Amino acid sequence: QVTLKESGPALVKPTQTLTLTCTFSGFSLSRSGMRVIWIRQPPGQGLEWLARIDWDDDKFYSRSLETRLTMSTDTSKNQVVLRMTNMDPVDTATYYCARCMAADGDAFDTWGQGIMVTVSS
Amino acid sequence: QSVLTQPPSVSGAPGQRVTISCTGTSSNIGGLYDVHWYQQIPGTAPKLLFYGNNNRPSGVPDRFSVSKSGTSASLAITGLQAEDEAEYYCQTYDSSLNGYVFGSGTKVTVL
Repeated sequence: QVTLKESGPALVKPTQTLTLTCTFSGFSLSRSGMRVIWIRQPPGQGLEWLARIDWDDDKFYSRSLETRLTMSTDTSKNQVVLRMTNMDPVDTATYYCARCMAADGDAFDTWGQGIMVTVSS
Repeated sequence: QSVLTQPPSVSGAPGQRVTISCTGTSSNIGGLYDVHWYQQIPGTAPKLLFYGNNNRPSGVPDRFSVSKSGTSASLAITGLQAEDEAEYYCQTYDSSLNGYVFGSGTKVTVL
C-alpha cells in the first residue's frame, strides 16, 4: 500500500524559511520512473504545482517559485524535503506531496493528507 | 489565474448526466500531453479519478468517463449520485511553462 504524509510547522512568520518533509512508504523513489511531487492549495482556491523530484535525483521547480524552492531526499528514510524561503502571508495554504509515475503519464496517483501552513506574524 | 479553464460550477439532479470541460492551449492539452482528472471532496486531499487520458484507477465507478479533442478535454458523470458532490480538477503538463498545470476547478452540486 502506497502512503505519503507531510510534516512540518503549522505556523511560520513572514520572511522565514518553511521546511516540509514528505515521508512515504510502499514504493521506492530509487526505482526508474518514480517521482515525488509537491502541490499547494490556498484556502478556498485551486491547486498549484510546486516541485518534482525524480528517481535519478533530477529536480524541477515551478517557474514562478523556483528562486525560493529547494528539494532534497533521504532515500534511506524514504523522505523528501521541500524548503521554501522568504515566506509571505500569500503562501498560506495546504501543502501536499504526491507520488507520480512516468509510466502513467505523470499522473499524481497517491496523495498525502496535506498539511495546513499559515504565514503570520 | 489557472492555465486550464473549467466552468466554476455545474449541477444536476440525481440520475442526470453532467459534463465538465477543461480548455487549454497548444502548449498543454493540444500538445498531446496526457490529461488527468482529480476529485476533491471538501476537507480531503484530491484523489486521482482518471489518468493517461482514459484510464480509470480501480475503485472509480464507470459512470465517470473522459474525452479529449484538440485543446480541450472533458469529464462526464452519468447517473449522478449524491456522493459525486465534490470539486473536480483537470491537470496536464505545459511545455511553455516547463511544469504541471491544473484547471481552475469545477464544483459539482447534486440538486
